[in-house]
Amino acid sequence: DAGVIQSPRHEVTEMGQEVTLRCKPISGHDYLFWYRQTMMRGLELLIYFNNNVPIDDSGMPEDRFSAKMPNASFSTLKIQPSEPRDSAVYFCASSGDRDQETQYFGPGTRLLVL
Amino acid sequence: AQTVTQSQPEMSVQEAETVTLSCTYDTSESDYYLFWYKQPPSRQMILVIRQEAYKQQNATENRFSVNFQKAAKSFSLKISDSQLGDAAMYFCAYRSPYYNTDKLIFGTGTRLQVFP
Repeated sequence: DAGVIQSPRHEVTEMGQEVTLRCKPISGHDYLFWYRQTMMRGLELLIYFNNNVPIDDSGMPEDRFSAKMPNASFSTLKIQPSEPRDSAVYFCASSGDRDQETQYFGPGTRLLVL
Repeated sequence: AQTVTQSQPEMSVQEAETVTLSCTYDTSESDYYLFWYKQPPSRQMILVIRQEAYKQQNATENRFSVNFQKAAKSFSLKISDSQLGDAAMYFCAYRSPYYNTDKLIFGTGTRLQVFP
C-alpha cells in the first residue's frame, strides 16, 4: 500500500490567498484525520471524518478553515483567506480496516503564508 | 479530559546504549490505547509502538519496548542499542476507544539526540 498521500508537500502563498490541501487515505480506511503542527501549539487535531462524515470539527480554528470528504479516497482542507499565523505543517492521517485504533500519517504539507 | 505529559524536552544517548523516554497521562477511562510516534527531521510521523490498556504485557517491537504502568498512568519508551537513525522527536499519544472521541491526544514531545 502506498500509505497516506498528501499534496502538495510544500506550499508558499501570500496572505489573503486561498489554500487547498489534499489527502488520499489508505485504501479501506474509514477514518480520516486532519492535524496541524506548530512550534507554539504542538500537534492539534482540526477535524476528523468517519465514513466521509465529519464527526468532530471542534478543532477547526475559525470559519476560514473548511474540510470536505466527498468520497472514501479523497479529502481537502481549505483555508480562505489565508493568514501568516496559518503557517504550519498540516498532516492527514487515516485508520480503519483491521486496525482501527492506529492512525497512519501522511508526509505532511508544509505551509508558509507570507 | 485526557492529558498527556512528556516531561523531558530533550534527551541524549550514545550509540549502542539504552535510553528511556518518559510519558504520563491522565484519564478516567479504564480502556484506551497508547502510542509512541517518531518524527525525524523529514517531519513524517512514524508509528513506533502501541499498547492496549487491557493488556498487561508490555509491547515490544525489535529494539523498542514500553514499560506500561496502568495504575501509575505511566507509559515509557525504552530504546535499546540506540542507532544514529533513532535521532528524532518522539511523541507519546493517547486514544480513547469510544466513538466520537477517536482523536489522538499528543504530548509535547521529547527530542532525542544520538551521539556516535
